[in-house]
Amino acid sequence: GDSVTQMEGPVTLSEEAFLTINCTYTATGYPSLFWYVQYPGEGLQLLLKATKADDKGSNKGFEATYRKETTSFHLEKGSVQVSDSAVYFCALSGQAGTALIFGKGTTLSVSS
Amino acid sequence: EAGVVQSPRYKIIEKKQPVAFWCNPISGHNTLYWYLQNLGQGPELLIRYENEEAVDDSQLPKDRFSAERLKGVDSTLKIQPAELGDSAVYLCASSAGGDPTTSLGTQYFGPGTRLLVL
Repeated sequence: GDSVTQMEGPVTLSEEAFLTINCTYTATGYPSLFWYVQYPGEGLQLLLKATKADDKGSNKGFEATYRKETTSFHLEKGSVQVSDSAVYFCALSGQAGTALIFGKGTTLSVSS
Repeated sequence: EAGVVQSPRYKIIEKKQPVAFWCNPISGHNTLYWYLQNLGQGPELLIRYENEEAVDDSQLPKDRFSAERLKGVDSTLKIQPAELGDSAVYLCASSAGGDPTTSLGTQYFGPGTRLLVL
């Protein structure tokens, strides 16, 4: 079945460092891909998405490109801030078109 | 605008006891989801409602779990009896439309209910 694999955390960075969180997927057909973020004590929030190959999703300085040839959707940010500390989840839309399938999440900790 | 509201935020019970979780979705959102999130894992769908109809409950363990969404608004998820392995976070999400690839289909999540079964 469809699945998502994320790099294991925690990822610990200093402020202004470059961030990459790897995400690869296995899916039948052409899924849509998502990154969700969960700040401490809050619910999951959609960060960005891409619905077809070569699309780039971006938001709040984060971006990810849908790479069909490598089945990847890596999350990047050029300069992280302390406020970016959170858990990041990669997800795809399942075959049914409505169920989200999530990776295990990657914890990011940014220190000043 | 209020987000998805869940209660209680935390619940501690002894095994074999019943427990119920409540979710109030964003006003006007017809689609409601219950997800289970085990420690160190991503959320997994338990059940999805379109209005008051459960359209995907294939992952709901029906021997002990039940859910309802009367009048197509609030929803309740129940476990009876609870087992030690049910300790997890139960997330509720809602969207205006079913397809998450569209802006209407964006899922908005509540803060979750953290359940501990002793």
